[in-house]
Amino acid sequence: DQQVKQNSPSLSVQEGRISILNCDYTNSMFDYFLWYKKYPAEGPTFLISISSIKDKNEDGRFTVFLNKSAKHLSLHIVPSQPGDSAVYFCAASEGHNLFFGTGTRLTVIP
Amino acid sequence: NAGVMQNPRHLVRRRGQEARLRCSPMKGHSHVYWYRQLPEEGLKFMVYLQKENIIDESGMPKERFSAEFPKEGPSILRIQQVVRGDSAAYFCASSPGGRIGYTFGSGTRLTVV
Repeated sequence: DQQVKQNSPSLSVQEGRISILNCDYTNSMFDYFLWYKKYPAEGPTFLISISSIKDKNEDGRFTVFLNKSAKHLSLHIVPSQPGDSAVYFCAASEGHNLFFGTGTRLTVIP
Repeated sequence: NAGVMQNPRHLVRRRGQEARLRCSPMKGHSHVYWYRQLPEEGLKFMVYLQKENIIDESGMPKERFSAEFPKEGPSILRIQQVVRGDSAAYFCASSPGGRIGYTFGSGTRLTVV
C-alpha cells in the first residue's frame, strides 16, 4: 500500500521556467514532509522540508507547499536550471520512518 | 567530515550465495536506517538500528535478511541465499537522532545472477 504517491513519473521544463512537482499522501498522521533529489548512481540528497504545522517553506529557488486538507504537497523550482535535472522523491515521516514516493524525473531543457 | 559510506558500490552474487552490505554512518551519527529501492519503485524502509540495538525491523523480510550495528564498526545488512528478486539498490542513511539530519549514502547495487 503506497502511502505517498507521485503520479507523474516524468516532467520536462524549459530552462528559466517554473518546475512544479506534486505529491499526494494518504496517512493523516504524517507530521513532517521532505523532498530529496537523486542523481544516477548516487544516494538521495536532502533538498527541503516542511512541518505539518506550516503551509509553505522557502529556500532560495525551492519552495514547498503543503495542503493538509487535500493531503497534497508540491515542490516549486524557479527558475529551473539544467543542473536541476534529476529524480525528485517526496517523503513523509511518522516517527522515525520515512515513506517515499516513487519519484518524478525532472528534465530541464537548456 | 566524510558522509555516509557504503561499500561495495556494486555487488554481484549468484543465486544461493550470501550478500553483505556495509554502512559506516557519518561521524557523530548513532542512528542507521536501511532502505531498498527496487526497479521503478521508491525507497522502502527496511530496518532502523542504533548501536547494538534493532529499533524497528518492520520493513525487513522475515527470512534470509538480517541487520546489525555493532558497538565498533559499520552496520551490516546480510542477505542469505540470495534470489533474483533481491536485486536492487540498497541505501543506508544515518542521523544524529530522528528524521532531522537524515543523510543517505550512495548505495550498494546488488545484482543476483
